[in-house]
Amino acid sequence: GAVVSQHPSRVICKSGTSVKIECRSLDFQATTMFWYRQFPKQSLMLMATSNEGSKATYEQGVEKDKFLINHASLTLSTLTVTSAHPEDSSFYICSAPGTGGRYTEAFFGQGTRLTVV
Amino acid sequence: AQTVTQSQPEMSVQEAETVTLSCTYDTSESDYYLFWYKQPPSRQMILVIRQEAYKQQNATENRFSVNFQKAAKSFSLKISDSQLGDAAMYFCAYRTKAAGNKLTFGGGTRVLVKP
Repeated sequence: GAVVSQHPSRVICKSGTSVKIECRSLDFQATTMFWYRQFPKQSLMLMATSNEGSKATYEQGVEKDKFLINHASLTLSTLTVTSAHPEDSSFYICSAPGTGGRYTEAFFGQGTRLTVV
Repeated sequence: AQTVTQSQPEMSVQEAETVTLSCTYDTSESDYYLFWYKQPPSRQMILVIRQEAYKQQNATENRFSVNFQKAAKSFSLKISDSQLGDAAMYFCAYRTKAAGNKLTFGGGTRVLVKP
C-alpha cells in the first residue's frame, strides 16, 4: 500500500527555536496533506490542510504564523513550529488521502513527538 | 458542526471474547464514509474497517465487523475472538467529500485485553 514517511519521529528543542517536520509520500503523489495534533490520551485534532502549490487552510484557533505549512511538491509537505514553547509539546501526525477514487483510505505518517524544553 | 462521539473511554475484554465499541456521528451530508482506526502504542494509525454510507450491508474484515445504523447515525465496531494484539486506542471517524475529504475523529476508546 501507499506510504507516508514522516520525520523526525521525535525531537526535543529549546524554547524559542523552530522545528520542521517533514512528510513525504513515497509511492504516490499527495496533492493534499492533513496535519493533526494529538495530546496525550486524546483524539486527533485537525490543524490545517495543505495543498500543493497553494496556501494552507487552517482550522479555527490554529495560529498560522506559529505553524507554518509548506506543500511545495506533490511528494513533500512540511510543518514548521516557529518560536516553539512548552505548550507546543505534542504529537503531530500527517495524513494524505489516497488517490484511488471515492473509497480511498487515508495514509498516515508515523507521527512526530515534539518536546519543547 | 460535524461531530463523532465515542461514549466509552475504555473497554476491557477477556482474550478470545467479544467486545463492542460504540460510535455515533452527526452530519447533514448524505454521501460520506465511516472508518474505524486502531492506534497501538507505537501510535501509527492503522485502518481497521470502513463503510460507505450508501451501502446497507455491514462491512466485515476477519474478526472485525460493524453494525451500521444509518437512520440512528450509529456505527459500532465488534471485535470477535479478541487477541492480545488488539489492545490499543480505537478511533471512529468519518469523511465527506463536501468537507474536502478530511477525517473527523471521535474521542477514542481504549481497549484492554486480559489474558
